[in-house]
Amino acid sequence: DTAVSQTPKYLVTQMGNDKSIKCEQNLGHDTMYWYKQDSKKFLKIMFSYNNKELIINETVPNRFSPKSPDKAHLNLHINSLELGDSAVYFCASRPWTGGGGYTFGSGTRLTVV
Amino acid sequence: DAKTTQPPSMDCAEGRAANLPCNHSTISGNEYVYWYRQIHSQGPQYIIHGLKNNETNEMASLIITEDRKSSTLILPHATLRDTAVYYCIVSPNFGNEKLTFGTGTRLTIIP
Repeated sequence: DTAVSQTPKYLVTQMGNDKSIKCEQNLGHDTMYWYKQDSKKFLKIMFSYNNKELIINETVPNRFSPKSPDKAHLNLHINSLELGDSAVYFCASRPWTGGGGYTFGSGTRLTVV
Repeated sequence: DAKTTQPPSMDCAEGRAANLPCNHSTISGNEYVYWYRQIHSQGPQYIIHGLKNNETNEMASLIITEDRKSSTLILPHATLRDTAVYYCIVSPNFGNEKLTFGTGTRLTIIP
């Protein structure tokens, strides 16, 4: 199936730990994104990458470090996790040109305890 | 901040057309109108987008007013699976733009 896939789907961890979320798309898209949806259900962009190059960084704390080894993958590493990092994180992708909509993954629910 | 205004909630009877309005009075000339929906904590799903002409695809129709200051998403025959939060977003249509989500409209399809 062509899709954006994220792993893990659920992640429960203690404060202070370091964790990673992985994202892969097989749609041939050039641009990938990380969005965060908090407990109030607001969806906010965090990062975007185009062909492994960082394009958007929305004043996210530097504990969050995205890494794009190739244009099909965009991983999110989070250091020193805090309670406020608890949220659902969505990966998305779209073509750089030609328009059309984003394709979102199914989300990673991160709970920091 | 989101540049669109949508009613917080709407109900629609199953089998009827659901018409979801959106105001975007400050839309710029290069901005498209996008619609997405999110079904119960799943990832947002792209529905349709348009610049100034009306658009139709297998999921929905998009009607944009001539002055482009408002639009309506039409789900022609709503089913229970269409219950979701619907987001209207205006954005340029090139790679480095970002989607800014507002609070959307919670559409409930009633059996």
